[in-house]
Amino acid sequence: AQKITQTQPGMFVQEKEAVTLDCTYDTSDPSYGLFWYKQPSSGEMIFLIYQGSYDQQNATEGRYSLNFQKARKSANLVISASQLGDSAMYFCAMREGHVSNTDKLIFGTGTRLQVFP
Amino acid sequence: GAVVSQHPSRVICKSGTSVKIECRSLDFQATTMFWYRQFPKQSLMLMATSNEGSKATYEQGVEKDKFLINHASLTLSTLTVTSAHPEDSSFYICSARPLAGPLHNEQFFGPGTRLTVL
Repeated sequence: AQKITQTQPGMFVQEKEAVTLDCTYDTSDPSYGLFWYKQPSSGEMIFLIYQGSYDQQNATEGRYSLNFQKARKSANLVISASQLGDSAMYFCAMREGHVSNTDKLIFGTGTRLQVFP
Repeated sequence: GAVVSQHPSRVICKSGTSVKIECRSLDFQATTMFWYRQFPKQSLMLMATSNEGSKATYEQGVEKDKFLINHASLTLSTLTVTSAHPEDSSFYICSARPLAGPLHNEQFFGPGTRLTVL
């Protein structure tokens, strides 16, 4: 079974509008971490935001916020006030467990976001 | 803070040669680094977990004799693609998680190395 599911292969949004990128996950581990990364065409993976499974509040980082709904096992990324430079691939990832530094990330298939003027 | 570098950024080599890729954490220490492979328009696939001072842990289906990993220090891991063939052409990305500090829950990626085997 897929651990991380991103059902939107592509999304379009107009500049200055908000957009939500969906991510659902599957784990039986009570302790886990959820990540969002941005990958522009140059290839580097840019860390955007992190949500721990025990965090009481939704994570926010500037224009990025994570809509964490634990019971539904969803961790959607919300980008507010989209900019042309936000056009990129976006990957959701999960790490099961948070104690060990050897815990690996499992990635979703990604969503390509295109922002138009 | 939390910058990871990779060298080289691009490499083209002949079939049968070996290629070494370096991954360095520039401003933090990491006992564990991760090596990923990404094919065009696909997601990242974890190849192996590199542990400082011990053997790497390889994912199922990844040949350890083909992809040699050496984690010589708390800031350096190397991936050597031995006897490279055209099917090894791919984008290789490393990542590292800070050993301690406020960013220890996060994982930071290098800029990637694009390998082309002719």
